[in-house]
Amino acid sequence: EIVMTQSPATLSVSPGERASLSCRASQSVGSNLAWYQQKPGQVPRLLIDGASTRAAGIPARFSGSGSGTEFTLTISSLQSEDFAVYYCQQYNNWPPWTFGQGTKVEIK
Amino acid sequence: EVQLVESGGGLIQPGGSLRLSCAASGFTVSSNYMSWVRQAPGKGLDWVSVIYTGGSTYYADSVKGRFTISRDNSKNTLYLQMNSLRAEDTAVYYCARGYGYFQDWGQGTLVTVSS
Repeated sequence: EIVMTQSPATLSVSPGERASLSCRASQSVGSNLAWYQQKPGQVPRLLIDGASTRAAGIPARFSGSGSGTEFTLTISSLQSEDFAVYYCQQYNNWPPWTFGQGTKVEIK
Repeated sequence: EVQLVESGGGLIQPGGSLRLSCAASGFTVSSNYMSWVRQAPGKGLDWVSVIYTGGSTYYADSVKGRFTISRDNSKNTLYLQMNSLRAEDTAVYYCARGYGYFQDWGQGTLVTVSS
């Protein structure tokens, strides 16, 4: 089973600032990585698939990069609606599909 | 428009059984990979089970032998039969559509296992 590790656990950012979230895989997953956003009390929403392809309707301020074992989700200029928990998920070796433990982006 | 609506959650005693349903609209369940993903209170996402288009099924080790995923093509509905429930199965259970990554999610149904 591939273990996904996200860092940091919590990221404090001011509105308008840039946020970079990290996700590391225990072995290579190629570009088979997705990112999800989950706001309190809401359902997870797909942001990025293929490590860097934005899902339909996702604003351009969200971007994904990386391949192999190291990945980054960047939010270029945080908006109030972006404060949430973000999860990465690998789909290179499945089942099982595996998620990271999440990074909470909070208001500084 | 794709829609997934789960039901069947509730409070159940340890050792009990529950069946979750996920009614789909806007697409055909049998033509998609369909999964159950759960989230314990205050915790992260945890994949539980999948049913492939061809009918093959797979489970997380934590539920293998206790949970069964199935679908009813005539009702366009996905199911999760959960037996021998444990306190650690307490979670919101989501059904999700996707081959690899999960592009559509239901709103979830809460299962609480407690005496």
